[in-house]
Amino acid sequence: NAGVTQTPKFQVLKTGQSMTLQCAQDMNHEYMSWYRQDPGMGLRLIHYSVGAGITDQGEVPNGYNVSRSTTEDFPLRLLSAAPSQTSVYFCASSPRQGANVLTFGAGSRLTVL
Amino acid sequence: RKEVEQDPGPFNVPEGATVAFNCTYSNSASQSFFWYRQDCRKEPKLLMSVYSSGNEDGRFTAQLNRASQYISLLIRDSKLSDSATYLCVVNTYSSASKIIFGSGTRLSIRP
Repeated sequence: NAGVTQTPKFQVLKTGQSMTLQCAQDMNHEYMSWYRQDPGMGLRLIHYSVGAGITDQGEVPNGYNVSRSTTEDFPLRLLSAAPSQTSVYFCASSPRQGANVLTFGAGSRLTVL
Repeated sequence: RKEVEQDPGPFNVPEGATVAFNCTYSNSASQSFFWYRQDCRKEPKLLMSVYSSGNEDGRFTAQLNRASQYISLLIRDSKLSDSATYLCVVNTYSSASKIIFGSGTRLSIRP
């Protein structure tokens, strides 16, 4: 029972490079979301999805794209990485929007030089 | 003003002590409340939900005060393994469910 799987765990990018953080869940959860966590800032919502084919912006969406072609997968794309995007990224899912408990992936630590 | 505010700590207490954290929220439409625990370099995990009537899980007690818009977490007989960051989480139902995390309170238990 894998839960929420994020890859890669660590990544170093140069400014301007693009990359995709992968997130997959095997619990048939409808709701998936991406957060970033920075020191003193808590977790901030980047994008979320309430089901396949549906995505919406969270609190800090600029510089990130998402898509949800399947229930299982919710990749986060950085189009042109900036040092301000250095952070720890967490993917989380729940059975449906409004469900109370989020299940988190182990996190992806990204450094942009 | 942040929607969910917590004292960042750190709280440094001896093993066996009782420690309490508060968390305030600004949106009176908030409907669900939780405490999550996050260990260093790990993902957050649900510690407990917070109910209007208050609830207890072993050494942990959570309470909600809707009138003053705060929730609290009390840890009794603290253990070394309680050292972690405790995140206050508020779920507000409006046009879309919005889950807001506080920035966390760091707790360190010393022997």
